[in-house]
Parts: sequence; structure tokens; C-alpha cells
Amino acid sequence: KQEVTQIPAALSVPEGENLVLNCSFTDSAIYNLQWFRQDPGKGLTSLLLIQSSQREQTSGRLNASLDKSSGRSTLYIAASQPGDSATYLCAVKGNTDKLIFGTGTRLQVFP
Amino acid sequence: GAGVSQTPSNKVTEKGKYVELRCDPISGHTALYWYRQSLGQGPEFLIYFQGTGAADDSGLPNDRFFAVRPEGSVSTLKIQRTERGDSAVYLCASSLGRGGTDTQYFGPGTRLTVL
Repeated sequence: KQEVTQIPAALSVPEGENLVLNCSFTDSAIYNLQWFRQDPGKGLTSLLLIQSSQREQTSGRLNASLDKSSGRSTLYIAASQPGDSATYLCAVKGNTDKLIFGTGTRLQVFP
Repeated sequence: GAGVSQTPSNKVTEKGKYVELRCDPISGHTALYWYRQSLGQGPEFLIYFQGTGAADDSGLPNDRFFAVRPEGSVSTLKIQRTERGDSAVYLCASSLGRGGTDTQYFGPGTRLTVL
């Protein structure tokens, strides 16, 4: 059974720092891995999707890497801003179409 | 509409009552998913539709939960004899239904509170 773990559970940093959020999964047989952002009381916004054949994806200040063989992904946020404060979730898709989510990292960036 | 919409945004009910939660997917998306998110947890899969049929309902916790998508567009999640443990945010997502390369687009969710 696929299990997804995210570390740390919470993170509080001053504005301007570069951040690394970690995601690990137990079954390396995945189709893709996706990082989402969730603001309080809101739905999920997709940030980056990495296919199993890819090593990384970039969007603006965000970079996500995938090491499928070791069951790990990292989300790198450069030059963090208070507007980045949210919960970040990673999710993997295996040979079924459902997503298996981690429990998230709650990020607070203070001015 | 431009995105996935869900109604109501909030629902408060009493233990034992019946509730229906509605999801309107993105136009043209053949795949529709329901997830449930408890406080402090990531979303957990409930059921997945491809067209009108439930392709995978392995996440439904028990027979009090049922979902339909009669015309392959709007879906309704139905919960009978609600219990306090059913309180959560119920999220709906849709995708083009192309399989492994798909991106799922999520709605804002319905927050269900069972008193």
C-alpha cells in the first residue's frame, strides 16, 4: 500500500529565505507526482506535476525534483515571500487514477 | 464555468440526517473524483468516475456513502445517517480522463459539520 510522508510538518521562516520541503513515498511504481498549495478554507491549487520519466520541473521561484528509485521528491522555494504562506501537499499517482496525498507541510513566511 | 464548483460551501447537519453534496466539473472533463480531508490531514480518495460509471469506489468508508453521476457531468455525493466522524471537507476534482498524464483540478470543497 502506497504511503506518502512529508517533512517537516510545519515551518516558519523569515521572508527571503530559500526553502526545501520534502516528500517521500514507499512504492516507487508511480506515474507522476504532483505538488499542491492549499490556502486556509480553500481547495487545492496545482503547482507542479512531474511525470515518472522526468527528474524535475520548474515554475517561477518553484523547483520540484523527483528521485523515483529512492522514493523522494523535494520542492524548492526560492526567495520566500509572505504570500507563500500556505499548506503544501504532495501527491503520487500509481497504476490507478487516484492520488495518494501526504499530510502536508504548513509554511509560514513572516515579514 | 472556468473551474470545478461545489455546493454548498458549508453544510451543518445533525447526527442521523441525510446530506447531498454537489460537484460541477470543468466542462469536457470525463473523469471526476471525490476526496475527503479531515482536519490536519491530506485528502483521502473516496471514489472515481469515468463518464457515468464508478471506475473505482474502493475509498468509500462504508455503505452509508454513495455517489452518482447520471449524465457524465454533475456528480452528487450522498451520505445517509450521518455521524460526527463524517465531519470533514469534501473535495471534488475533475480531469480530462487520459490516465497517467492527467492533472486533476480541484474545487473549493464543501465543509460538512455533523453535530
